[in-house]
Amino acid sequence: KQEVTQIPAALSVPEGENLVLNCSFTDSAIYNLQWFRQDPGKGLTSLLLIQSSQREQTSGRLNASLDKSSGRSTLYIAASQPGDSATYLCAVFGGGTYKYIFGTGTRLKVLA
Amino acid sequence: SQTIHQWPATLVQPVGSPLSLECTVEGTSNPNLYWYRQAAGRGLQLLFYSVGIGQISSEVPQNLSASRPQDRQFILSSKKLLLSDSGFYLCAWGPGQATGYTFGSGTRLTVV
Repeated sequence: KQEVTQIPAALSVPEGENLVLNCSFTDSAIYNLQWFRQDPGKGLTSLLLIQSSQREQTSGRLNASLDKSSGRSTLYIAASQPGDSATYLCAVFGGGTYKYIFGTGTRLKVLA
Repeated sequence: SQTIHQWPATLVQPVGSPLSLECTVEGTSNPNLYWYRQAAGRGLQLLFYSVGIGQISSEVPQNLSASRPQDRQFILSSKKLLLSDSGFYLCAWGPGQATGYTFGSGTRLTVV
């Protein structure tokens, strides 16, 4: 059974710091991995989608990497801003199931 | 471009009352559609998914049901709500099963 874990559960950093959010999954036979952002009381916004054949994807200040063999992905946020404050969720597709399995998220707070 | 609409945004319903949440997608045809629930402090749980009109797969046995009367319309229903049905309900769509999801803005349901 695929399980997705995100560490840390919460993170508070000063503005301008570079930071890394971690996502690990137990079954490495995945098709892809997706990172989302969720603002309080809102839906999920897709940030990056990494296919299993890819090592990383970049969008602006965000860079997501995927190491399928070790069951890990990281989301790197450069020069963090208060507007980056949100919960970040990763989801994996595959690993014995034809649906996305979500982690419980990392709640990020960037202090001005 | 494709858009997903979900309504209502918030709903307060008494225990034992019926429920109907609607989700529609525009700008695409034959999307895969999904209903997720996010309970307070917990991860996203897949409730139902549909790969075509009238085709519904249930992930979690409970007093909820789903229907897809039209290609781009997905409805979540209940005949009698329970307190445990409270949560944040999210609809999502994807062009295929492993192609990434786009989420709606969600419905906050409180059963009192």
